Amino acid sequence: SQTIHQWPATLVQPVGSPLSLECTVEGTSNPNLYWYRQAAGRGLQLLFYSVGIGQISSEVPQNLSASRPQDRQFILSSKKLLLSDSGFYLCAWSTGLTGNTIYFGEGSWLTVV
Amino acid sequence: AQTVTQSQPEMSVQEAETVTLSCTYDTSENNYYLFWYKQPPSRQMILVIRQEAYKQQNATENRFSVNFQKAAKSFSLKISDSQLGDTAMYFCAFMKGGVEDSWGKLQFGAGTQVVVTP
Repeated sequence: SQTIHQWPATLVQPVGSPLSLECTVEGTSNPNLYWYRQAAGRGLQLLFYSVGIGQISSEVPQNLSASRPQDRQFILSSKKLLLSDSGFYLCAWSTGLTGNTIYFGEGSWLTVV
Repeated sequence: AQTVTQSQPEMSVQEAETVTLSCTYDTSENNYYLFWYKQPPSRQMILVIRQEAYKQQNATENRFSVNFQKAAKSFSLKISDSQLGDTAMYFCAFMKGGVEDSWGKLQFGAGTQVVVTP
């Protein structure tokens, strides 16, 4: 069966510091991969998606970037964090088929101080 | 653009009882998919149920079932025999059909907090 893991689960970072959140998927090949952010008490906002190695699409302009160095690895990064980057970040995957279900990781709490 | 509306911010239900969560959506698409996700206190987003718009039959998953009314653009979730572990925020979500349109682009409602009491 497929599993998805992301880490770290929580982190507190000072303003201006770099960020790296990592996500890996097991049990499937060539998945679509996604990064979402959830503001407090709200639904999820899609930040990035990737349909293959090195292929990244950004949905909203922001201070963050994403990379996919391997088929089942997806990384969310920032060179200099802003206070507004605080939030709950979820990695997710799906197959490339139309309308297919998106499965989420455990999430990472980021607090920028 | 599609919008998803969940009009109930919070619902309380006793164990073993049934609760129904409402969801309406606005779209001009004919090909789309609808989902219910639950988010317990752990914050992980967990799929509850999925419905293809082209299917008239309502989806069911154990104690969870939906009432999909395509013409009315309504997609309610019924939780039967509620359990304490069902306590969570429940999100209704919409996804357009078409390969590229469906890549991660879920439109979420604001969520309904379900509290199951003993």
